[in-house]
Amino acid sequence: SQKIEQNSEALNIQEGKTATLTCNYTNYSPAYLQWYRQDPGRGPVFLLLIRENEKEKRKERLKVTFDTTLKQSLFHITASQPADSATYLCAYGGELNQAGTALIFGKGTTLSVSS
Amino acid sequence: GAVVSQHPSWVICKSGTSVKIECRSLDFQATTMFWYRQFPKKSLMLMATSNEGSKATYEQGVEKDKFLINHASLTLSTLTVTSAHPEDSSFYICSARDLRESTLTEAFFGQGTRLTVV
Repeated sequence: SQKIEQNSEALNIQEGKTATLTCNYTNYSPAYLQWYRQDPGRGPVFLLLIRENEKEKRKERLKVTFDTTLKQSLFHITASQPADSATYLCAYGGELNQAGTALIFGKGTTLSVSS
Repeated sequence: GAVVSQHPSWVICKSGTSVKIECRSLDFQATTMFWYRQFPKKSLMLMATSNEGSKATYEQGVEKDKFLINHASLTLSTLTVTSAHPEDSSFYICSARDLRESTLTEAFFGQGTRLTVV
């Protein structure tokens, strides 16, 4: 069955360092991947979308890569700040879900940045 | 980004009663709305997908008669939890996308509704 996995449940880093989060997918070749941020008790907020033919995408301190050979996406936050502490979710377009248009999410990685 | 408003943000209800949750897209037309459920420290679990004017498509294991979804317009979808029981207590989140031009679009989420059934 199709799976999207974020292997690390939690990541703790010091302020100023680069945080790297991993998203792996199996038995599926998504046309794109998306990354979201979720704060406790809130809905997710869109951060970046990367297509399968794009190697890398950047937005301010954020960078996303997409390696279709490794079936993996990496999400980087450079010069991390305590305000970056949140849960980060990767998602793909679930063409194989019942309606074919929903986003299917990984479990998320909770990032904690200490000052 | 676009704004999706979800109400109420929290609700406590008695077992056996029904609760309605509203999801509105405020500044764009949401051709498709999605309802997710999230347990503590778990990912979002897709419950159903609804297209404006059509019946919702439910994921496997989600009871259609228990979770009634209505998507009457391009800006409003509602989820009604009927005859709620304590095991229905959860965080429910709606999401909206405009898929008319492309599926390469982000999803906009509501603030979520914390439902507690006592």
